[in-house]
This record gives sequence, C-alpha cells and structure tokens, in this order.
Amino acid sequence: DIQMTQSPSSLSASVGDRVTITCQASQDIRNYLNWYQQKPGKAPKLLIYDASILETGVPSRFSGSGFGTDFTFTISSLQPEDIATYYCQQYDNLVTFGGGTKVEIK
Amino acid sequence: EVQLVESGGGLVQPGRSLRLSCAASGFTFDDYAMHWVRQAPGKGLEWVSGIIWDSSDIDYADSVKGRFTISRDNAKNSLYLQMNSLRAEDMALYYCAKGRAPGLSPCVFDMWGQGTMVTVSS
Repeated sequence: DIQMTQSPSSLSASVGDRVTITCQASQDIRNYLNWYQQKPGKAPKLLIYDASILETGVPSRFSGSGFGTDFTFTISSLQPEDIATYYCQQYDNLVTFGGGTKVEIK
Repeated sequence: EVQLVESGGGLVQPGRSLRLSCAASGFTFDDYAMHWVRQAPGKGLEWVSGIIWDSSDIDYADSVKGRFTISRDNAKNSLYLQMNSLRAEDMALYYCAKGRAPGLSPCVFDMWGQGTMVTVSS
C-alpha cells in the first residue's frame, strides 16, 4: 500500500500569509496526486488535480507542485474563508489520503 | 445542478448489515465511475470502494474487502454499498463521490454528496 505523509498536521497563520503544506508518498506516484479542502461540517471539495492543475472555479491563490514522491500545496495569501482541513490523495495504486492539515487563523 | 444524495445510514449492531444508497442527478451518471469514501468522527478521509461506469471493474480498500459490495444501477442513476459483518471501526460518515472519468483511473473526486452516518454499536 502507498502511504501518504502530510505535514504539518496543523498550522496557524495570519491573513495574507503564504501557507505551504507538504505531502510525501512512500513510493513514486508520478503526478497522480490531488488536493482537497474540507470546511467544518462540509463535504470535501476538489482544489488541485494531477499535482498542479487548478480545478475550474478555484481561486488562483491556491497552487500545487511536485512529482514522484514529494508534493507541495500553497496558499499564496491566506484568506479567512480558507480556514479548513486540507487533504492530499494519491491514485497511482488504489487510493490513499494523507492525514490532513488543519489551517487556522492566528 | 450536479447533486449526490446519500441515504440508508443509521444505528446498527456489530455483525449486522446495512445498505447505503446514493441518488445522482444533474449529470450523465453512466459516463462516470463512482466511489464511496468514509470519514470516522474527528478523523481523516478513507477511500472505501470504486466502480467503473459499466460495473465491469471494481476495487475495494483492504479494510472492507470481502465484507462490503459496491454496485450501481445506471437506469436509476443510483450507487449502492452493501455493508455486511459491520464492525465498530466501520462507524463513519459515508460519502458518495463522483469520479472524473469513466474508469477507476484517473481517480479524481470532483463532486461529493453530504454523506450518511453509519453508527455501529450494541
């Protein structure tokens, strides 16, 4: 099974800050990596697919990069509405999610 | 409007069975693979199972293999999950999720329902 290690598990940042989350796969997953946002009490929402492609309608302050085993998700300027838990997900071999990163406002 | 509505959750004793349903609307259901993803209370997401557009290919997580069965009825725009031999660790909010492609890969969940809660307790 492919393990996805996401870090940090939580972070606190100020409005306008740049926020970075990393996701490491236990083996090469090429670019088969997606990022989701889950707000409290809501279903997850797709933000980035295939490591770096922004889903239609998602603000451009969200971005993703990486290939192979190491991936990065960035919010260029944190907004109050970005408070949520973010998950990475691989689909190179079945499907595995990372443990999640809870983003809070400082 | 694309919509996925899950139903069938509830309280069930360990070892018993439950069948979840997901009603889809707003898109051509039989053009896409469909999946179940669950989330235990206060925990992260766990993929459970996926089914290709014509039911010819199915995958399960190891944690449910042999106990859960996914199926779909394209004529009814519906997805199902038959859950047998339920355990305490199966207690979770079960989401129905739409895949982006007809097959199980690429596995991109671009639409989610609001979930149905399954509680396993004696």
